[in-house]
Amino acid sequence: KAGVTQTPRYLIKTRGQQVTLSCSPISGHRSVSWYQQTPGQGLQFLFEYFSETQRNKGNFPGRFSGRQFSNSRSEMNVSTLELGDSALYLCASSLVYLADTQYFGPGTRLTVL
Amino acid sequence: AQRVTQPEKLLSVFKGAPVELKCNYSYSGSPELFWYVQYSRQRLQLLLRHISRESIKGFTADLNKGETSFHLKKPFAQEEDSAMYYCAPRSLETSGSRLTFGEGTQLTVNP
Repeated sequence: KAGVTQTPRYLIKTRGQQVTLSCSPISGHRSVSWYQQTPGQGLQFLFEYFSETQRNKGNFPGRFSGRQFSNSRSEMNVSTLELGDSALYLCASSLVYLADTQYFGPGTRLTVL
Repeated sequence: AQRVTQPEKLLSVFKGAPVELKCNYSYSGSPELFWYVQYSRQRLQLLLRHISRESIKGFTADLNKGETSFHLKKPFAQEEDSAMYYCAPRSLETSGSRLTFGEGTQLTVNP
């Protein structure tokens, strides 16, 4: 099976802009989670979606949002970008919600100038 | 508060030596424990899940509920084990599938 894919792999934006990142889970997987990875804060949970519903949310401001489509693909959006949003954004998928292993994608490297 | 600590940011051993990467956690309920590994320029991947009790690439980890630890061990380190290792508990009862990652330990195995 193909693994989790994320597009784009690299993005450069300027402060104040917005950005949308996309994640395609492993075929058959229905749960998608998003994490932010930075050198200073490490890996931090953003949110999780299952059956097109947000099931869990981390401690991030409302500028960070996401959604999941009926085919389980997910997008996350960051509005009004700040320099501190520069990070590697990881998507992980699992077969079902709860009680399953999460498999990670390669990430999208976002740089905010 | 849910917390996980990996006390060593960097760990260096010689090939063939035993290696232990420490993980201590403070978690309500009965957390499930994972170890993830990230090799250079590769994606984060699952190494161990404690409930499966599997041994992957020669690594094992024992959950010590009394000491709230989940240390990762390998009796004979190999150069290809050089990578970043993350301990990650989760509590299905309190926070669903959400993984809480430690800061990670960068393991270097020298020839």
